[in-house]
Amino acid sequence: GAGVSQSPSNKVTEKGKDVELRCDPISGHTALYWYRQRLGQGLEFLIYFQGNSAPDKSGLPSDRFSAERTGESVSTLTIQRTQQEDSAVYLCASSLASGRAEDTQYFGPGTRLTVL
Amino acid sequence: KNQVEQSPQSLIILEGKNCTLQCNYTVSPFSNLRWYKQDTGRGPVSLTIMTFSENTKSNGRYTATLDADTKQSSLHITASQLSDSASYICVVSATGGFKTIFGAGTRLFVKA
Repeated sequence: GAGVSQSPSNKVTEKGKDVELRCDPISGHTALYWYRQRLGQGLEFLIYFQGNSAPDKSGLPSDRFSAERTGESVSTLTIQRTQQEDSAVYLCASSLASGRAEDTQYFGPGTRLTVL
Repeated sequence: KNQVEQSPQSLIILEGKNCTLQCNYTVSPFSNLRWYKQDTGRGPVSLTIMTFSENTKSNGRYTATLDADTKQSSLHITASQLSDSASYICVVSATGGFKTIFGAGTRLFVKA
């Protein structure tokens, strides 16, 4: 596709349930990022994948959050035992080549997660 | 602590007017500074990027400035249009690997 795509666009779940969010990066982009954006707040970095290197998980807020990426393609962000404070928009971005700070990140439309 | 602070938090202007958004940062060592535009319900889209040696960069009606000495940047929007209504996010990256800090954004409302 032409850009980063994410699914689902909206997800409503009950507290305590697990959810999986999907990100399809731009073809050829080796770097992939997940961010969380709470209502009215800035983006919080969650996790970063670069090629086959070990991911940078330093932004994950708790062990209920995990993410996987197969090669340089699709990534899945999983939140286990969801809590109400997990309600936010989860944004995925990808960038070309090395994933250096200089590379432009292209963002997907996000998944709006609501935990009841 | 690496931080990016933006002001004002929100701004309302009339269509056709100019406005300037501010960004102060403490990210170090500095690599680059970007301004993103985020429309409601969409992901952010990059407007400009500036490195240490650049002090101004334009993209149509958007002009960004950077003062690396005072660690301040501004985004000036000329002849605003209704479609400029969005959040504008200042993003600063550090060298030495991936470290990117996002500001909370300025919410701009352009009224007819």
